[in-house]
Amino acid sequence: DQQVKQNSPSLSVQEGRISILNCDYTNSMFDYFLWYKKYPAEGPTFLISISSIKDKNEDGRFTVFLNKSAKHLSLHIVPSQPGDSAVYFCAARRGSGNTPLVFGKGTRLSVIA
Amino acid sequence: GAGVSQSPRYKVAKRGQDVALRCDPISGHVSLFWYQQALGQGPEFLTYFQNEAQLDKSGLPSDRFFAERPEGSVSTLKIQRTQQEDSAVYLCASSPRQGWNSPLHFGNGTRLTVT
Repeated sequence: DQQVKQNSPSLSVQEGRISILNCDYTNSMFDYFLWYKKYPAEGPTFLISISSIKDKNEDGRFTVFLNKSAKHLSLHIVPSQPGDSAVYFCAARRGSGNTPLVFGKGTRLSVIA
Repeated sequence: GAGVSQSPRYKVAKRGQDVALRCDPISGHVSLFWYQQALGQGPEFLTYFQNEAQLDKSGLPSDRFFAERPEGSVSTLKIQRTQQEDSAVYLCASSPRQGWNSPLHFGNGTRLTVT
């Protein structure tokens, strides 16, 4: 049973527009969420995170929103750039940090110039 | 470089062969993690070390999988009697603190193909 779900395998967005990547989770014990970005033939790199005590975290062009009641989070990228084209993974963990980070299957973002 | 280094980058093994995958974490990082990423899937947890102690191996899929980190630095993931379903990218990650309390720094992975 997938605890972290990214239901859109791919997304195409025009350069300069907003990219919105979505993630749903089923485990209500999750309290910390992260987004990772992955280029081909490279490992995932950390992008941004959010704790369950917040509903928004912003870092430059990247903003993550958390809706705990809906068990949903989203990553907004604005404005989107061609270099943002990559696979984005949502990840979650629970508790005090002694349980494994659980990843979704990823969404491939293509930003078209 | 200062990142997590994994070797080899690519490994082709015939079914039934044993393989060993190496991970050099970032110097000084306490925690080390192994993940398996099958094609089209997200990374799935295999095992976690804090220094030389293997604190969690709940994700290892079978007793054919074995990991070690004898001196608390370099780690090796060994797969015995490889099967086709073992074909995947094996990712190693490290972090400076204990447990999962800081973002993981991933290596570029080893792509294992079992024929």
